[in-house]
Amino acid sequence: AQKVTQAQTEISVVEKEDVTLDCVYETRDTTYYLFWYKQPPSGELVFLIRRNSFDEQNEISGRYSWNFQKSTSSFNFTITASQVVDSAVYFCALSEANTGANSKLTFGKGITLSVRP
Amino acid sequence: EADIYQTPRYLVIGTGKKITLECSQTMGHDKMYWYQQDPGMELHLIHYSYGVNSTEKGDLSSESTVSRIRTEHFPLTLESARPSHTSQYLCASSERRTSTDTQYFGPGTRLTVL
Repeated sequence: AQKVTQAQTEISVVEKEDVTLDCVYETRDTTYYLFWYKQPPSGELVFLIRRNSFDEQNEISGRYSWNFQKSTSSFNFTITASQVVDSAVYFCALSEANTGANSKLTFGKGITLSVRP
Repeated sequence: EADIYQTPRYLVIGTGKKITLECSQTMGHDKMYWYQQDPGMELHLIHYSYGVNSTEKGDLSSESTVSRIRTEHFPLTLESARPSHTSQYLCASSERRTSTDTQYFGPGTRLTVL
């Protein structure tokens, strides 16, 4: 069975600090997809990134970067120069592709990030 | 960018009332989902659908029911609301043709049952 662990529950930083959100996953499949979602106080989940298991290249998008390491089953998310608008709950999720088109997402419990001015 | 809508955004209702939470998407996605999320808590899948006339129960048992008569519409119904149903309900959709399962979420409905 697949599992996603986000060991950090709450993180508080001061604006402009860098912060890394950890995500560790478990799966028996060789083909899978990893996701990060952001949930601001307004409540909706915003899709940030999808990464497949065959692509271990790190990705950067503005102040956001993701470090995917299959050797440690981790898919960590770093926010550089954090801003107050980054305050949200961040969810990591996993989908096993080998179950075909009927695959489902497994979410971690989320990390609450607070960025103080 | 996803086009998925939920109404109402907020609902306060008394015990015993029947309610329907609406979810619609304009992306032509085959797969749709309902999640329940208590404040500050993880998401729990309660219902999903692979397409028209397909509905399945999720990982968390729920007293709610769903229907999928049209591709774009996936309403959730509670026949008799109770205070234990107070929660946020999030609807999502994704394409069935691929297995990547990027789910796009609606804004959610915050339900309070008094």
